Amino acid sequence: EDKVVQSPLSLVVHEGDTVTLNCSYEVTNFRSLLWYKQEKKAPTFLFMLTSSGIEKKSGRLSSILDKKELFSILNITATQTGDSAVYLCAPNTNAGKSTFGDGTTLTVKP
Amino acid sequence: DTEVTQTPKHLVMGMTNKKSLKCEQHMGHRAMYWYKQKAKKPPELMFVYSYEKLSINESVPSRFSPECPNSSLLNLHLHALQPEDSALYLCASSQDTWGTPLHFGNGTRLTVT
Repeated sequence: EDKVVQSPLSLVVHEGDTVTLNCSYEVTNFRSLLWYKQEKKAPTFLFMLTSSGIEKKSGRLSSILDKKELFSILNITATQTGDSAVYLCAPNTNAGKSTFGDGTTLTVKP
Repeated sequence: DTEVTQTPKHLVMGMTNKKSLKCEQHMGHRAMYWYKQKAKKPPELMFVYSYEKLSINESVPSRFSPECPNSSLLNLHLHALQPEDSALYLCASSQDTWGTPLHFGNGTRLTVT
């Protein structure tokens, strides 16, 4: 059975702090790992990672995948209150199945 | 606003009712999905359609019946639901089923009384 573990489950920081969110996985027929941000409604896509060791970056957010150790991290630097959300990690198989982790709930205080 | 449109936004139904959830996308995506999300839990996959054919059914009870009339539309027919089926039902689409990103609709909040 596919397994995805995210840590920490929740995190409270102050604006300007840097955070690191972790995702470890065990899935069969791994194809890619995706990160999503969920605020009040639908998850929105952040990053897709397919290759080990190549950092993806978008503004203050970055992410990297280690396919040998089966984990990924999502970094957010200089956090802002608008970064408050649930961050979901989802490894995807080549059959189109995305298994979501329980998410990390990030709260950024002013 | 998302590019995946779901209707209705909210639905309240009794256990003997029959209703349908609708989802539409015009991004030319060839894969469409139904997810169920309970409060404070991650989305849970129900069904995957690839090129309008059902490719994954995650052992969903038969009271949920998906339908993909064409490449842009996805329906979920509901019949004889239980109160524990109350949840947010999310539709998503992706370019294909080869690990490409999911684009989610805003969901239908379903309450079964």
